[in-house]
Amino acid sequence: AQSVAQPEDQVNVAEGNPLTVKCTYSVSGNPYLFWYVQYPNRGLQFLLKYITGDNLVKGSYGFEAEFNKSQTSFHLKKPSALVSDSALYFCAVREPSNTGKLIFGQGTTLQVKP
Amino acid sequence: EPEVTQTPSHQVTQMGQEVILRCVPISNHLYFYWYRQILGQKVEFLVSFYNNEISEKSEIFDDQFSVERPDGSNFTLKIRSTKLEDSAMYFCASIARKGFEAFFGQGTRLTVV
Repeated sequence: AQSVAQPEDQVNVAEGNPLTVKCTYSVSGNPYLFWYVQYPNRGLQFLLKYITGDNLVKGSYGFEAEFNKSQTSFHLKKPSALVSDSALYFCAVREPSNTGKLIFGQGTTLQVKP
Repeated sequence: EPEVTQTPSHQVTQMGQEVILRCVPISNHLYFYWYRQILGQKVEFLVSFYNNEISEKSEIFDDQFSVERPDGSNFTLKIRSTKLEDSAMYFCASIARKGFEAFFGQGTRLTVV
């Protein structure tokens, strides 16, 4: 069965510092991997995805993520955090052969302090 | 930019009542989904819909739930007899084609009292 783990409930960083939000996955075959962000009382906004190709993918708002097949990880990164990046981040996985449903991790709250 | 829209944004209903949550997916999208998020918990898949039929449903999606796409634009989720534990944020999503990212609506917060 597919699963996604985000081992940290919360990540705290100072503004201007690099940030990493961790994600590991378990899926049969080659996965499609996604990151979404959720601001308070809002829907999920797509940040970036890995389908195939270069292991480093770049997305919205300066975020990037690195796909590591041997470690089954897809960590979200940003070189310099902004206070406005503070939100709830979800990693999600989809098997290529299935109906397109997403399996989400439990979410990581990112707190960026000035 | 095209977006998925959901109405209402907040619905309060009495236990045992029927509710219909409405969604207008992006117009050229082919795959449609409902997810829910109980407060403080992760987002859970409920059902996927393609070619006018359910393609997959989770164990949460029992006989109390149904989905319809009655007119080619709206996509609805009906809960026939709501329970307290149905209180959650419900998200609609759509995808243009497999391999593409899902676009989510802003959600409907359902409160069952």
